[in-house]
Amino acid sequence: EPEVTQTPSHQVTQMGQEVILRCVPISNHLYFYWYRQILGQKVEFLVSFYNNEISEKSEIFDDQFSVERPDGSNFTLKIRSTKLEDSAMYFCASSEIRMRTTGELFFGEGSRLTVL
Amino acid sequence: AQSVTQLDSHVSVSEGTPVLLRCNYSSSYSPSLFWYVQHPNKGLQLLLKYTSAATLVKGINGFEAEFKKSETSFHLTKPSAHMSDAAEYFCVVSGLGGSEKLVFGKGTKLTVNP
Repeated sequence: EPEVTQTPSHQVTQMGQEVILRCVPISNHLYFYWYRQILGQKVEFLVSFYNNEISEKSEIFDDQFSVERPDGSNFTLKIRSTKLEDSAMYFCASSEIRMRTTGELFFGEGSRLTVL
Repeated sequence: AQSVTQLDSHVSVSEGTPVLLRCNYSSSYSPSLFWYVQHPNKGLQLLLKYTSAATLVKGINGFEAEFKKSETSFHLTKPSAHMSDAAEYFCVVSGLGGSEKLVFGKGTKLTVNP
């Protein structure tokens, strides 16, 4: 069964460092997303991406964050200068058609980011 | 704004007994509602979804949920729990019309005892 894969599964970094989280969405999917879950809190939407541009982003997704689809398979989330409060589990997701049409997202297992 | 409240952070049942995971939603219009499940060390998986068709929705692994507009509820049920049902369950509502985002509840951790 096709699945969304994320790397690394866990990354520890120092405050102020740049981090790149990588995702390989399901191959025929066109819509890509990042969500995050801070320990003990709700899963929160960060950004959606389609046709090589951001289609929607939350207030969390400030200038420190960026997303990119550098080739035909990877989808990355970059945090330029990490803060302690960026420590969270980051989930990548993809869907075949627009979310508001079907609502089915396929999620990866998550990348745990710990900022010291 | 859309929101969901999962009334129990932790539910414990015995194998073979019914499961009830409660969810209430708040929405300014007729919402789309979902239940996702996360097994340990796995990604979030869609269990079922309600998108304004039948109010009783059947999902995978014997789960179902009933949309009750009068009670603003979308509780998840299963007649008989299996050990493999132990996981975290998230009630989710879609964003306002045109939005791409999903709005998650805090999750309910289901424990199934032998």
